[in-house]
Amino acid sequence: DTEVTQTPKHLVMGMTNKKSLKCEQHMGHRAMYWYKQKAKKPPELMFVYSYEKLSINESVPSRFSPECPNSSLLNLHLHALQPEDSALYLCASSQSGNRDEQFFGPGTRLTVL
Amino acid sequence: SQQGEEDPQALSIQEGENATMNCSYKTSINNLQWYRQNSGRGLVHLILIRSNEREKHSGRLRVTLDTSKKSSSLLITASRAADTASYFCATDYSSYKLIFGSGTRLLVRP
Repeated sequence: DTEVTQTPKHLVMGMTNKKSLKCEQHMGHRAMYWYKQKAKKPPELMFVYSYEKLSINESVPSRFSPECPNSSLLNLHLHALQPEDSALYLCASSQSGNRDEQFFGPGTRLTVL
Repeated sequence: SQQGEEDPQALSIQEGENATMNCSYKTSINNLQWYRQNSGRGLVHLILIRSNEREKHSGRLRVTLDTSKKSSSLLITASRAADTASYFCATDYSSYKLIFGSGTRLLVRP
């Protein structure tokens, strides 16, 4: 299985809602990533988990809360988002995180009303 | 900004023609990667070239790297309509962090 899956594909939420994005991989990868991508822009790194520990937080606002329950799963909990948080959220994984290629999921298209 | 630059921003070619995209970056690197993204979808890894390599091939793809100029190019030969996508270079800013270039949007007309 060489796939990274993400659910849901689309999400519409109000500014007072709480929702979660989910990501799963079964490639035995030990590094997992969350990226945010706005239209016609490159992906921007948000968080990195390595061996289930948070390694990088790119100064992301606390309304985004990552969680890595086990080596195959990565969640992104969302609370009190702003309309400018609307974007494509991409999950990725890599073998070790040490400068190796990343495998991306199809993304969750998030709209905040 | 840490972000690299790519040019052109957009490229439109006829099917069968070659497409060349260029990437410039700012910091020293261990490797440089190229990714493809179809509209609104996830990225797909195309090729990785290490800093001690000058050229690498994969099928119809040819990547060059010039570390003295901090630049790389991606050549797609004999393009197909299915090659229509955005292409991003990415440099390894640190062990876990990739910095993506601004991207080139390629349109291959049938």
